[in-house]
Amino acid sequence: GQQLNQSPQSMFIQEGEDVSMNCTSSSIFNTWLWYKQDPGEGPVLLIALYKAGELTSNGRLTAQFGITRKDSFLNISASIPSDVGIYFCAGVPQAGNNRKLIWGLGTSLAVNP
Amino acid sequence: DTGVSQDPRHKITKRGQNVTFRCDPISEHNRLYWYRQTLGQGPEFLTYFQNEAQLEKSRLLSDRFSAERPKGSFSTLEIQRTEQGDSAMYLCASSIANEDEKLFFGSGTQLSVL
Repeated sequence: GQQLNQSPQSMFIQEGEDVSMNCTSSSIFNTWLWYKQDPGEGPVLLIALYKAGELTSNGRLTAQFGITRKDSFLNISASIPSDVGIYFCAGVPQAGNNRKLIWGLGTSLAVNP
Repeated sequence: DTGVSQDPRHKITKRGQNVTFRCDPISEHNRLYWYRQTLGQGPEFLTYFQNEAQLEKSRLLSDRFSAERPKGSFSTLEIQRTEQGDSAMYLCASSIANEDEKLFFGSGTQLSVL
């Protein structure tokens, strides 16, 4: 089925560093979402984006809905150990419905204290 | 309300056995979803309920899988004649009307079929 391309696949950074990850698609999306999943838990919604060009922050996290509507970016500033986890992008394609999200494969983040 | 609750957290079963999982959504959420997730993958949509009505089912949901939400509150997912390929994390999520994309997930049930 349709999938989103997330990069990088994994990251290992030092505490205090900034992090950037992105998500791309070959088709247009109406909604972009970023979720975080801790080991052994379900994903937790971080940020939802609904308009092209939209820039939204949630604490140290900032996400943007790409102008082309085919991509989205997530930035984490001043990383801390509890940022460790897998970050998933998800979206609602233009031809889809918001009850069946399309998911990326995730970006695994490790933070060295 | 403490969020979406799933039971059990872990289930180990032998191939061919039947298993049933339970999900209690956030009480004011009328929409409930089941997803499946394997290692290194994002969640895959299985099925969706609005109140007690099952409105969508994925092609991933074979005849061995059945889900119910009899009173529009908790839901059960049953897998009959389990196969090793059924091993995965089964996630339940709920949402409020008109915000289907804002899913609140439970902690999942990790199924291992031996």
